[in-house]
Amino acid sequence: KNEVEQSPQNLTAQEGEFITINCSYSVGISALHWLQQHPGGGIVSLFMLSSGKKKHGRLIATINIQEKHSSLHITASHPRDSAVYICAVPGSNYKLTFGKGTLLTVNP
Amino acid sequence: DGGITQSPKYLFRKEGQNVTLSCEQNLNHDAMYWYRQDPGQGLRLIYYSQIVNDFQKGDIAEGYSVSREKKESFPLTVTSAQKNPTAFYLCASSIAGAEETQYFGPGTRLLVL
Repeated sequence: KNEVEQSPQNLTAQEGEFITINCSYSVGISALHWLQQHPGGGIVSLFMLSSGKKKHGRLIATINIQEKHSSLHITASHPRDSAVYICAVPGSNYKLTFGKGTLLTVNP
Repeated sequence: DGGITQSPKYLFRKEGQNVTLSCEQNLNHDAMYWYRQDPGQGLRLIYYSQIVNDFQKGDIAEGYSVSREKKESFPLTVTSAQKNPTAFYLCASSIAGAEETQYFGPGTRLLVL
């Protein structure tokens, strides 16, 4: 079974700071997911990537398949970015294995 | 508007009672999933279904049951055998497979009276 570790568990930043959240996994994969969970509980998929880098607005996700590591970056962070960020990797069949999440708080 | 709906938003269960959580999608997705979320833990898979009339147990299926009679619907029943049901339950769907983007519903919070 793939083990997924995220760091840090909690992150507090000031508005405008550059944010990095890390995700490591133990077994080679073909794709990795980054998800965002808002305080109300709803989850949205941010990225699915299998190599290199993807960018959407102020969010950038990178993955290094050889090192089994991915990072999620937020540039010019804003209080509305406050959420839990979760990475997930595919396992057998249709299953995803999820990290425990990183709680990000961005203060104005 | 395409998406996934879950109801109710909050659900209260009495001791020994079975309760059913609803999940409906109009995305025409074949695969549907139920997850449980507890504080400080990652999402854990309860059941998943790849196609109508077929479903498989996930990692924590004991005390739960599901059905998939229609492509759009994947209800989850929390039975009295589930001794610790208090949690946040999330339903998701995808075109197919764990390498596809999963779309999540808003969740149901289950509390025991």
